Amino acid sequence: EAGVTQSPTHLIKTRGQQVTLRCSPISGHTSVYWYQQALGLGLQFLLWYDEGEERNRGNFPPRFSGRQFPNYSSELNVNALELEDSALYLCASSFGTPRNEQFFGPGTRLTVL
Amino acid sequence: GQNIDQPTEMTATEGAIVQINCTYQTSGFNGLFWYQQHAGEAPTFLSYNVLDGLEEKGRFSSFLSRSKGYSYLLLKELQMKDSASYLCAVRSRAGNTPLVFGKGTRLSVIA
Repeated sequence: EAGVTQSPTHLIKTRGQQVTLRCSPISGHTSVYWYQQALGLGLQFLLWYDEGEERNRGNFPPRFSGRQFPNYSSELNVNALELEDSALYLCASSFGTPRNEQFFGPGTRLTVL
Repeated sequence: GQNIDQPTEMTATEGAIVQINCTYQTSGFNGLFWYQQHAGEAPTFLSYNVLDGLEEKGRFSSFLSRSKGYSYLLLKELQMKDSASYLCAVRSRAGNTPLVFGKGTRLSVIA
């Protein structure tokens, strides 16, 4: 069974640009989560999508947005990039089992210059 | 607020036992997870506790005390490949809800 996939692997952008990151969950998983992992910080929750709807968002500005498609894949968009957006962006998926553990993708390393 | 604390770094010797502690203060509690993350890689699921007590899985065990807001991950017979960051995470509500992560403990296993 294929795991969570993310693209691209690495990305370099400059301040003010916009970026779109993509995530495909494990087949059958309906929930997708986005986390930001900046250097020296823990994983910070960004967005949660389930069944095509945004269910919750973390403490991030509105320039972080996304969506989930009918096939449950997801995009994360970041507008007006700032230097501090440089981080590893991790996508995770889960399915409604009692444990609901989240399975993570390999991440997208974003560098903002 | 939500707060999860764990030591930043630990060092242990190959073949030894190490215990990584995690304390949490969250608005609710519906399970505690431990993940392992090697440098540059995705976190991988290690263990899950929702009731008090010890869960054992091979060389890894995890303990939970809900009344104390405390968990630990115990790694036995350490191997060099166990050098990684160990992330403690809490789910504060039932269902497919996001996890609150600690900053992780970077474990170095030395010969």
